[in-house]
Amino acid sequence: DIVMTQSPDSLAVSLGERATINCKSSQSVFYSSNNKTYLAWYQQKPGQPPKLLIYWASTRESGVPDRFSGSGSATDFTLTISTLQAEDVAIYYCQHYYTPPYNFGQGTKLEI
Amino acid sequence: QVQLQQSGPGLVKPSQTLSLTCAISGDSVSSNSAAWNWIRQSPSRGLEWLGRTYYRSKWYNDYAVSVKSRITVNPDTSKNQFSLHLSSVTPEDTAVYYCAKSRGSIIDYFGQGALVTVSS
Repeated sequence: DIVMTQSPDSLAVSLGERATINCKSSQSVFYSSNNKTYLAWYQQKPGQPPKLLIYWASTRESGVPDRFSGSGSATDFTLTISTLQAEDVAIYYCQHYYTPPYNFGQGTKLEI
Repeated sequence: QVQLQQSGPGLVKPSQTLSLTCAISGDSVSSNSAAWNWIRQSPSRGLEWLGRTYYRSKWYNDYAVSVKSRITVNPDTSKNQFSLHLSSVTPEDTAVYYCAKSRGSIIDYFGQGALVTVSS
């Protein structure tokens, strides 16, 4: 199984500042035959299911504000929120979808 | 816009089988581009992908190794829904269970979730 590890576990950032969340996979989730990286990011607010933010490591899902961006390759990934808004308070998860089981990271709790 | 409606008991006794159903609207369980997943979330285990079913000229299933001996995910084309059956449950299986749709393997929509408690 591919293990996903996020850092930090929690993060406090001031409104308007940048938030950066890291994710590491235990093996590469880059598939060279199609040049794609099988990594997604989700946002989960209290009492709600997770919501897809980013897939293919850096492609924003439709409707996701452009202050959210994803980067990285192979085994090391980053989710960046460029200018933190109050509504961004949530837990953020990375997940690989390279091969089953599609494991999630343990989550990073983002607070103001 | 897909919608997923979960149903099933919120309390299951230890050693029994947990059974949940997810009714699909706005898409088809037989779609050649979608897959239908079960995921659970608990404080001790976090988000845990359990398994999926999907149709690509025939039906396929994938399961997490942690539950592989106990899990079945089945499509029901007549009702456009899919189900989860998890046998021999213990209190460790207490969690919020989500059904979810993926396009290819990208999980792009979760149902609202349902708390299932395993207790006598």
